[in-house]
Amino acid sequence: AQKVTQAQTEISVVEKEDVTLDCVYETRDTTYYLFWYKQPPSGELVFLIRRNSFDEQNEISGRYSWNFQKSTSSFNFTITASQVVDSAVYFCALSEASMDSSYKLIFGSGTRLLVRP
Amino acid sequence: DADVTQTPRNRITKTGKRIMLECSQTKGHDRMYWYRQDPGLGLRLIYYSFDVKDINKGEISDGYSVSRQAQAKFSLSLESAIPNQTALYFCATSDLGPYNEQFFGPGTRLTVL
Repeated sequence: AQKVTQAQTEISVVEKEDVTLDCVYETRDTTYYLFWYKQPPSGELVFLIRRNSFDEQNEISGRYSWNFQKSTSSFNFTITASQVVDSAVYFCALSEASMDSSYKLIFGSGTRLLVRP
Repeated sequence: DADVTQTPRNRITKTGKRIMLECSQTKGHDRMYWYRQDPGLGLRLIYYSFDVKDINKGEISDGYSVSRQAQAKFSLSLESAIPNQTALYFCATSDLGPYNEQFFGPGTRLTVL
């Protein structure tokens, strides 16, 4: 069965520190997609990145970077030089090209990141 | 204007009351979803719809029903609300395919007393 695990419930860092949010997934599909979403204190969910199972290239976008490793079923998210505005709950999610074509998103339980000034 | 809107944004109701949460989207997507978010549990899928004629149960559909009135509108109903349905509810839309991200509404915070 598909599953997404975010073992870090809450992380607290001081501004300018680097921080990595872990995401481990389980799936039997060979074709799947991984996502990261951010939920700031205001509550909305903001899409950050998508990665498909055939593309293991790391991605960098400004201070954000993502490390996808199929060998360890992980899709970790690193924030470099964290800022107070990065404080949010971050969700990792998995979507499979399932037989019923539902393409449901399976979410992890989220990691709450607190960046202190 | 927001692409995905939800009404109401906050609602307090009593046990046994019927309540409807509404979702509208202007993205032109066929797929729409309802999730609930509980602390420490992430988001769990309640119902999803591929188009007006297609409604499917998600992981936690018991106690809920939905209506897809049009491509742009997807409503979630609690026929007889109970306290453990107190949660943050999100509507989302997406284009066809597992590779497309879902776009979320701002959420409805529901409290059942």
